[in-house]
Amino acid sequence: QKEVEQDPGPLSVPEGAIVSLNCTYSNSAFQYFMWYRQYSRKGPELLMYTYSSGNKEDGRFTAQVDKSSKYISLFIRDSQPSDSATYLCAMKVIQGAQKLVFGQGTRLTINP
Amino acid sequence: EAGVAQSPRYKIIEKRQSVAFWCNPISGHATLYWYQQILGQGPKLLIQFQNNGVVDDSQLPKDRFSAERLKGVDSTLKIQPAKLEDSAVYLCASSSGLYQETQYFGPGTRLLVL
Repeated sequence: QKEVEQDPGPLSVPEGAIVSLNCTYSNSAFQYFMWYRQYSRKGPELLMYTYSSGNKEDGRFTAQVDKSSKYISLFIRDSQPSDSATYLCAMKVIQGAQKLVFGQGTRLTINP
Repeated sequence: EAGVAQSPRYKIIEKRQSVAFWCNPISGHATLYWYQQILGQGPKLLIQFQNNGVVDDSQLPKDRFSAERLKGVDSTLKIQPAKLEDSAVYLCASSSGLYQETQYFGPGTRLLVL
């Protein structure tokens, strides 16, 4: 069983839709959770980072963590074609520049 | 601020050949990472440097992969000899320190082993 599971998609939605991206994990020691966005032929870029259960908002993006269920989500409101990318969840055990464990990524396309 | 630079961007080699990738991190960033991203998968950490010392190389296939970061700035990752399963994107990332959360990724080197 992989430590981090992520539905690879692809996921295709119309512009303006609410998008929900999800990851589950098996290692209860994970405490820090991140979402990265990766455009085609580019490196990943950090979108959001959180270390507590609950919701964290940043503009159109909301990250949700449920440690009891070992489940994290990223919601995108009012999705735009520029949001089309692969979204990677990542997590680690302790604070600091320690090893990140990534999900396999979900490829998202927003159709105009 | 200039980002993480990597070269070459693309490389095609035959199996059993050797190949080297170069990374120049963001200026002043002490921590440098090499990741391997196989098509359809998330990045997997190969090696992490703090300045010119190795912090974590537990997932580096040491029989064929090597990496160095002389002088604590640029880094090179080498594969010798290459296998078909080494076909992947090799990503370099850097962060300002061991306890900084944000890793900044370069564009990657896309390797195809034939």
